[in-house]
Amino acid sequence: QQQVKQSPQSLIVQKGGISIINCAYENTAFDYFPWYQQFPGKGPALLIAIRPDVSEKKEGRFTISFNKSAKQFSLHIMDSQPGDSATYFCAARGYSGGYQKVTFGIGTKLQVIP
Amino acid sequence: DAGVIQSPRHEVTEMGQEVTLRCKPISGHDYLFWYRQTMMRGLELLIYFNNNVPIDDSGMPEDRFSAKMPNASFSTLKIQPSEPRDSAVYFCASSRTSGGTYNEQFFGPGTRLTVL
Repeated sequence: QQQVKQSPQSLIVQKGGISIINCAYENTAFDYFPWYQQFPGKGPALLIAIRPDVSEKKEGRFTISFNKSAKQFSLHIMDSQPGDSATYFCAARGYSGGYQKVTFGIGTKLQVIP
Repeated sequence: DAGVIQSPRHEVTEMGQEVTLRCKPISGHDYLFWYRQTMMRGLELLIYFNNNVPIDDSGMPEDRFSAKMPNASFSTLKIQPSEPRDSAVYFCASSRTSGGTYNEQFFGPGTRLTVL
């Protein structure tokens, strides 16, 4: 119920291409779906987040697409750049005993090659 | 604000030794999380606190792991005795409850633990 499945685990994209990372969940009680970006040697940092009543959210080159009926959401990075090379985590926020709890996917290591 | 502070940044120890990881959350944040990151398992939630009280420790792998939060500005994660399979990067994160919106978790830089 609390699991978030993420794929692929690694991705290589040419500079200028589109990077796509997919996630799926089971628990319909999740109420927020954030994406975190992690550069080597650093902690993850929030990139963008979406609510399940919104089908798409765009911030710059980063877009979350959300399909509530399929219980799937994805991150699209347009015009991918070498500086986007990082590990990306999808996540979902739920509640346990009245307290907030965020479950992370396993992560996708993105490499953008020039 | 300095962000979430973790110490040490790197720890190398021998099997059987006690290891203590430290975390100072962002001032004013009421949630504190401890995560472990490995290649095989990704980012695993070990335990989290709300207002210094442990809420869910179901992710703590074994009794060898323990965590405390004696006050709002300090938390420790202790491993005793340590084993080679505990080698990982351990992150501390904090967040502040905000009604209705997503409250971002701010992560520290992590502690890379190597148990020989």
